[in-house]
Amino acid sequence: KQEVTQIPAALSVPEGENLVLNCSFTDSAIYNLQWFRQDPGKGLTSLLLIQSSQREQTSGRLNASLDKSSGRSTLYIAASQPGDSATYLCAVDKGNTPLVFGKGTRLSVIA
Amino acid sequence: DAMVIQNPRYQVTQFGKPVTLSCSQTLNHNVMYWYQQKSSQAPKLLFHYYDKDFNNEADTPDNFQSRRPNTSFCFLDIRSPGLGDAAMYLCATSRDRTRGYTFGSGTRLTVV
Repeated sequence: KQEVTQIPAALSVPEGENLVLNCSFTDSAIYNLQWFRQDPGKGLTSLLLIQSSQREQTSGRLNASLDKSSGRSTLYIAASQPGDSATYLCAVDKGNTPLVFGKGTRLSVIA
Repeated sequence: DAMVIQNPRYQVTQFGKPVTLSCSQTLNHNVMYWYQQKSSQAPKLLFHYYDKDFNNEADTPDNFQSRRPNTSFCFLDIRSPGLGDAAMYLCATSRDRTRGYTFGSGTRLTVV
């Protein structure tokens, strides 16, 4: 059974810092991995989708990497801003079963 | 813009009174999902439809049912809500699971 773990559970950084969020998964036979952002009391917003054949994806200040063989992904946020404060969730898709989520990392960026 | 829309955003219902949450999509995706998310927890899959093919997760309580009358709409029915059913309910869609999932804004359910 696929399990997804996100470390740390919570993170607080000063504005302007670069930071890395970690995601690990137990079954490397995945189809893709997706990073989401969730603001308090809101739904999930997709940030980046990495197909299993890809190593990384970039969008603005965000960069996600995928190392399928070791079961790891990282989300790198450059020059963090208070508006980046949210919970970040990673989820893996095996292609024939629905997404499995981690519990998320709650990020606070302090001005 | 193509999107996934959930109504209502907030729903308050009485203990034991049936309630229906709705989801619509303009993406023409063939797969629709309902997730339940409790505070500080990962979203938990309740059901999904692959076209009209209904798939029920093994641990989804019998109290929860779902309907998908057409490609665009999907409903979550809670027959007799209990206090433990208070949560955020998230609807999502995907196209053959190849291009990622798109989520709606969620419905926050409160049971009083």
